[in-house]
Amino acid sequence: AQTVTQSQPEMSVQEAETVTLSCTYDTSESDYYLFWYKQPPSRQMILVIRQEAYKQQNATENRFSVNFQKAAKSFSLKISDSQLGDAAMYFCAYNNAGNMLTFGGGTRLMVKP
Amino acid sequence: DAGITQSPRHKVTETGTPVTLRCHQTENHRYMYWYRQDPGHGLRLIHYSYGVKDTDKGEVSDGYSVSRSKTEDFLLTLESATSSQTSVYFCAISLNVGGAANEQFFGPGTRLTVL
Repeated sequence: AQTVTQSQPEMSVQEAETVTLSCTYDTSESDYYLFWYKQPPSRQMILVIRQEAYKQQNATENRFSVNFQKAAKSFSLKISDSQLGDAAMYFCAYNNAGNMLTFGGGTRLMVKP
Repeated sequence: DAGITQSPRHKVTETGTPVTLRCHQTENHRYMYWYRQDPGHGLRLIHYSYGVKDTDKGEVSDGYSVSRSKTEDFLLTLESATSSQTSVYFCAISLNVGGAANEQFFGPGTRLTVL
């Protein structure tokens, strides 16, 4: 079974600075998808960014980018120019091109003004 | 906005009582999912559906059943609620399965407390 590990239960960043959230996963598959979801206090799960394993280029969405290292099975999220609204729980998730999303335990990000 | 609603949004019940949570979508998507969220575990899949009357078990299906009699509704039932089922429950739909990205979009969640 696939597992997803987020080793940082909590992180903090100063407003306007850059922070990187870590995620590692375990799989024997070669074709899969990886996601980062944001969960603010409202509890809504919001898709932040996705990465297809067959793509070598790292995905980018505005201030959010990933560092995808397939051989190392690592998928970190970088948030640039952090804003107060970025404060939330962040979940890394894996999908093996099937029907199941496997989530990590989450990282709580705090943004200091 | 993927057009997903969940009802009720909050519920408090007693051990041993039956509970049904409803997920409704307006997008006519084939795939629907139920997850539970507990501290330290992220979200874990309970059951999912790949069409009307077609369902399958997820990672934590014990104590839960589901039904899907029409495309837009996916029901999660706790036949006899236990305190270990106190959790936040999320419904999700999938826009592309076997396609480009397999991303799932989530409803607002239901907080269930079993006393």
